[in-house]
Amino acid sequence: EPEVTQTPSHQVTQMGQEVILRCVPISNHLYFYWYRQILGQKVEFLVSFYNNEISEKSEIFDDQFSVERPDGSNFTLKIRSTKLEDSAMYFCASRLNGIYTEAFFGQGTRLTVV
Amino acid sequence: AQSVTQLDSQVPVFEEAPVELRCNYSSSVSVYLFWYVQYPNQGLQLLLKYLSGSTLVESINGFEAEFNKSQTSFHLRKPSVHISDTAEYFCAVNTVSGNTGKLIFGQGTTLQVKP
Repeated sequence: EPEVTQTPSHQVTQMGQEVILRCVPISNHLYFYWYRQILGQKVEFLVSFYNNEISEKSEIFDDQFSVERPDGSNFTLKIRSTKLEDSAMYFCASRLNGIYTEAFFGQGTRLTVV
Repeated sequence: AQSVTQLDSQVPVFEEAPVELRCNYSSSVSVYLFWYVQYPNQGLQLLLKYLSGSTLVESINGFEAEFNKSQTSFHLRKPSVHISDTAEYFCAVNTVSGNTGKLIFGQGTTLQVKP
């Protein structure tokens, strides 16, 4: 069964460092997302990406964040200068098309900023 | 703006007992509703969804949820739980209008099934 894969599963980084979280969505899917879950809190939407551009982003997704689909298979989330409060589980998701289809989630990357 | 509230953060229950995980939502427009499950050390998996039609939806492993528009609820039920149902359960909505498909999640409910 096709699945969304995320690497690495756990990343530890120092405050102020850049970090790139990687995702390989399901191959024929068209909509891509990043969500995050701070420990003990709810899963929060960060950004949606369609047709090679951001279609929607949340207030959390400020100038420190960026997304890219560099080669037609990977979908990356970059945090330019990490802060302690960026520590969270980051989930990538993809959909075949819009809101009528199921979103498939990856297993997540736990980011720890020290 | 949409929001989702899961009133119970933890639900302990004995094996073979019935369970209900509560979910209420707030939205000024029509919504689609979902329950996702997260087993330990795994990603989020869709358990069931309501898009339209029958307000009672079922999953393949015995869970069901009923969309109640008047009470803005989408509670998840199972008549007899198994140890393997121990997991975190998330209720989520997305609006019918717009095409980004973003999901708004509740806080999650940890279901702890005891032998």
